Amino acid sequence: AQKVTQAQTEISVVEKEDVTLDCVYETRDTTYYLFWYKQPPSGELVFLIRRNSFDEQNEISGRYSWNFQKSTSSFNFTITASQVVDSAVYFCALSEALNFGNEKLTFGTGTRLTIIP
Amino acid sequence: EAQVTQNPRYLITVTGKKLTVTCSQNMNHEYMSWYRQDPGLGLRQIYYSMNVEVTDKGDVPEGYKVSRKEKRNFPLILESPSPNQTSLYFCASRLSGTAYEQYFGPGTRLTVT
Repeated sequence: AQKVTQAQTEISVVEKEDVTLDCVYETRDTTYYLFWYKQPPSGELVFLIRRNSFDEQNEISGRYSWNFQKSTSSFNFTITASQVVDSAVYFCALSEALNFGNEKLTFGTGTRLTIIP
Repeated sequence: EAQVTQNPRYLITVTGKKLTVTCSQNMNHEYMSWYRQDPGLGLRQIYYSMNVEVTDKGDVPEGYKVSRKEKRNFPLILESPSPNQTSLYFCASRLSGTAYEQYFGPGTRLTVT
């Protein structure tokens, strides 16, 4: 069964510091997709990135970067030079290509990130 | 604007009083799903639908019903709500295929007293 673990429940950093959010996943499938979503204090869920299991290239988007390592089953998310607007709950999620009819998204429990001004 | 809408956004009700939370998407997505979010548990899937008239249970279906009579709508029905169904509910949709990201509605905060 697929599983996503976000061991960091809460993280607080001072503004402008870098911060990494950890995500470890379990799957029996060889083809799968990993996602990160952001949930700001307003409550909506905002899609950040998707990565497929065959693409281990790291990705950078502005101050955000993602490190995908199949060898350790991890898909970590780093925010560089954090800002107060980055304060949110961040969810890592996994979907398998072959899960027998239910194409569901399995979420981790989330990491609450607080950026202190 | 492409979006998933949910109504109501907030609801306080009493045990046993049937309620429906509506969900509608305007992106012609085949797949729709309901999740509930509880502190420390992340989001858990309640029900999902692969297309019109095709629905199935997710991880926590007890106490809920759904229907998918039209492609755009996927209502969540609580026939006899109980306090343990107090939660934040999200509807989501996407194109068919697990590679696609899910688009989420704004959420419905339900309190059952």
